Amino acid sequence: AQKVTQAQTEISVVEKEDVTLDCVYETRDTTYYLFWYKQPPSGELVFLIRRNSFDEQNEISGRYSWNFQKSTSSFNFTITASQVVDSAVYFCALSEDTDKLIFGTGTRLQVFP
Amino acid sequence: GAVVSQHPSWVICKSGTSVKIECRSLDFQATTMFWYRQFPKQSLMLMATSNEGSKATYEQGVEKDKFLINHASLTLSTLTVTSAHPEDSSFYICSARGDSFVDEQFFGPGTRLTVL
Repeated sequence: AQKVTQAQTEISVVEKEDVTLDCVYETRDTTYYLFWYKQPPSGELVFLIRRNSFDEQNEISGRYSWNFQKSTSSFNFTITASQVVDSAVYFCALSEDTDKLIFGTGTRLQVFP
Repeated sequence: GAVVSQHPSWVICKSGTSVKIECRSLDFQATTMFWYRQFPKQSLMLMATSNEGSKATYEQGVEKDKFLINHASLTLSTLTVTSAHPEDSSFYICSARGDSFVDEQFFGPGTRLTVL
């Protein structure tokens, strides 16, 4: 069965702090994709990253970085030097066959000035 | 590129009426479109998958007769909530996937439905 767990319901930090959002997934497939999306208060989903199961290289994009570890079935997301504009709900998602995206329950991040 | 629009962005209707939500891919042909539902402060749940020219495939627990999905062209899919009730109030989000982007779905901005 496929499942995505985001254990952190809500995180509050002060600007410039680093914050890591956790994502643990379950799948029986050897081929799958993992995603992170940002959902600001406006509601529109913003695509952040897609990673396939064969690529375990960590990725960095500006202040964002992702750590993919198949051994622990985790795909964690770190924001360095957080900013108020980072405040949003962040969703981790899993796709086994490119047809269905299974979303985690989301982590609400609040960054205070 | 890969822009998906939804119309309307929000709608308020009376209980018992039907509401149609449109999802359009603006700059690519969407062979597959997906409809998600998101209750306040909850996750997105896939409702159905539609392929152009075919009947939609509904997820378990989603009423086909209540949520009518039509994907008549490669750029347009519609979701009609029939005989809407207050419990149908939710945020409805569509996404689209084209042959050029087989591994990725592009999301619309969502439609907020409130049923009084």
